[in-house]
Amino acid sequence: AQSVTQLDSQVPVFEEAPVELRCNYSSSVSVYLFWYVQYPNQGLQLLLKYLSGSTLVKGINGFEAEFNKSQTSFHLRKPSVHISDTAEYFCAVSDRQGFQKLVFGTGTRLLVSP
Amino acid sequence: DSGVTQTPKHLITATGQRVTLRCSPRSGDLSVYWYQQSLDQGLQFLIQYYNGEERAKGNILERFSAQQFPDLHSELNLSSLELGDSALYFCASSSRGGLADTWDTQYFGPGTRLTVL
Repeated sequence: AQSVTQLDSQVPVFEEAPVELRCNYSSSVSVYLFWYVQYPNQGLQLLLKYLSGSTLVKGINGFEAEFNKSQTSFHLRKPSVHISDTAEYFCAVSDRQGFQKLVFGTGTRLLVSP
Repeated sequence: DSGVTQTPKHLITATGQRVTLRCSPRSGDLSVYWYQQSLDQGLQFLIQYYNGEERAKGNILERFSAQQFPDLHSELNLSSLELGDSALYFCASSSRGGLADTWDTQYFGPGTRLTVL
């Protein structure tokens, strides 16, 4: 079974500052890794995914994440945030060897202020 | 817009009642997934259907059931509702059925917010 830990429930940051949202996972098998974003009153949108290959993954809206197998982490970063990035961010894993159900973390609310 | 539609958007009902949530996947997608988002449990996978057949099951209560119809739309039935069933229910769809060696992006609908009073 897999589990995902997002240590920060809320991250406040000023506009144009860099941000890192942390994600650690636990799994006895190889996994796929994802970050989803949920804007207020909307569904989830895929930001980026790691399936294989380069451990640095670039996604939409200027976000990127780095897969670190030894630390079982998949932290999300953006060098300069905008007000419009205010949203809830979910890290998720999926078992490579089984069915594609997503196991989500508890989410991190990113609050960008002027 | 992900292309996945869910109806209704909001649903308010009483304890003990039964409701049906509907999901239409993106055109051409064969798989439908149901997730529940609640304050105490977070986002949890409930069940997956692929081309009309149940493919995977998560933490779905026995009071809940789902099906996928020949036109590939899906319904999630929730019965004997309890206060704790109040949540946002998401449907997602993907083009294939979860083969182990390929990944399909899951596209999420806007959700149905269920309130049980």
